[in-house]
Amino acid sequence: AQKITQTQPGMFVQEKEAVTLDCTYDTSDPSYGLFWYKQPSSGEMIFLIYQGSYDQQNATEGRYSLNFQKARKSANLVISASQLGDSAMYFCAMIPIQGAQKLVFGQGTRLTINP
Amino acid sequence: GAGVSQSPSNKVTEKGKDVELRCDPISGHTALYWYRQSLGQGLEFLIYFQGNSAPDKSGLPSDRFSAERTGGSVSTLTIQRTQQEDSAVYLCASSEGWGQGYEQYFGPGTRLTVT
Repeated sequence: AQKITQTQPGMFVQEKEAVTLDCTYDTSDPSYGLFWYKQPSSGEMIFLIYQGSYDQQNATEGRYSLNFQKARKSANLVISASQLGDSAMYFCAMIPIQGAQKLVFGQGTRLTINP
Repeated sequence: GAGVSQSPSNKVTEKGKDVELRCDPISGHTALYWYRQSLGQGLEFLIYFQGNSAPDKSGLPSDRFSAERTGGSVSTLTIQRTQQEDSAVYLCASSEGWGQGYEQYFGPGTRLTVT
């Protein structure tokens, strides 16, 4: 079984600062994918970034980067130069490459960007 | 192009009534997923479809829950004899395929309230 742990229920950051959202995972699957999703107050889940377990390089997507440390089973999201519009819930999730294709989500981190 | 759509956006029903929730995936997406988001349980997987078949129904909470998908497109999640604990936001997602790297695109959700 897979498990995702997000230890930060809430974070407050000043605008333009960088922020790291923590995510650790546990799985017995030999290969898997890791995702980060953003959920603003409107409720829709917005894909941010993906990391495959066998990817050699850390994923980046614009201001988002994923600090993937496989040995430590961590997949932290880094947002550079935060903006007010980044205020939202952020979910880390994982999916096995084989077997049941279901995303397993963490409990989420509520990020608030202060002006 | 159009994203994943869900209807209704909100549904209030009385305990004991049956409800149907609809999901229209992105055109051409072969995989479709249902998740439930509630305050107490976070985001939990319910069921997914590969084409019209559902290889994994392990997430359905009880036999009151069922889902079908027809024509490899629209899916309906049915909850019979609704209970108050069924109150949640039901999210549908679709992806081009299944497995590594296939991003799941989420719809806006259906907020179900059982009174």
